[in-house]
Amino acid sequence: NAGVTQTPKFQVLKTGQSMTLQCAQDMNHNSMYWYRQDPGMGLRLIYYSASEGTTDKGEVPNGYNVSRLNKREFSLRLESAAPSQTSVYFCASSQNLNTEAFFGQGTRLTVV
Amino acid sequence: EDKVVQSPLSLVVHEGDTVTLNCSYEVTNFRSLLWYKQEKKAPTFLFMLTSSGIEKKSGRLSSILDKKELFSILNITATQTGDSAVYLCAVRKGGSEKLVFGKGTKLTVNP
Repeated sequence: NAGVTQTPKFQVLKTGQSMTLQCAQDMNHNSMYWYRQDPGMGLRLIYYSASEGTTDKGEVPNGYNVSRLNKREFSLRLESAAPSQTSVYFCASSQNLNTEAFFGQGTRLTVV
Repeated sequence: EDKVVQSPLSLVVHEGDTVTLNCSYEVTNFRSLLWYKQEKKAPTFLFMLTSSGIEKKSGRLSSILDKKELFSILNITATQTGDSAVYLCAVRKGGSEKLVFGKGTKLTVNP
């Protein structure tokens, strides 16, 4: 029972480099989310996808892009990483509006 | 702008104490409020509340929602050191899959 799987778990990037964070869920959930968590800031929504083929901006979308590749997978791309994007990134999924969201184990990203 | 505000931001208690964590919100078209516990890694789900006045309970934890006053509380009785964690409150808006979190309350339970 894998649930929500994120890769990689840790990553160090240089300023200006690009990378994609991967997320996959095996629960047949419709909705998927990307959050970042910084000390004292709680979880802030970057982007979400209500269903396959749709994506919407959250609170802090600047500097990020997302792709809902299929129902299982929702990736987050940093085109040109900046030190301000140093954070822990969490992917989550939920079946629908009436159910809880399940979280992956997080990706700790450091941009130097 | 949607807001979810948790208080206190941090709390230190002794084992056996009872604690109350608060979550107030201002969102358009409220649908549900969720509580999560976060230890080292991923948040884990505790409760989802949609109706006012109905208490959800799981062991020593309980939660209730007041939709008129726009807040929820999470109670933990007879706290244990294993309850030490960050407790997160989130609100889901109707007509949207958006799930907005508060900053969390860091609870430390000392032996």
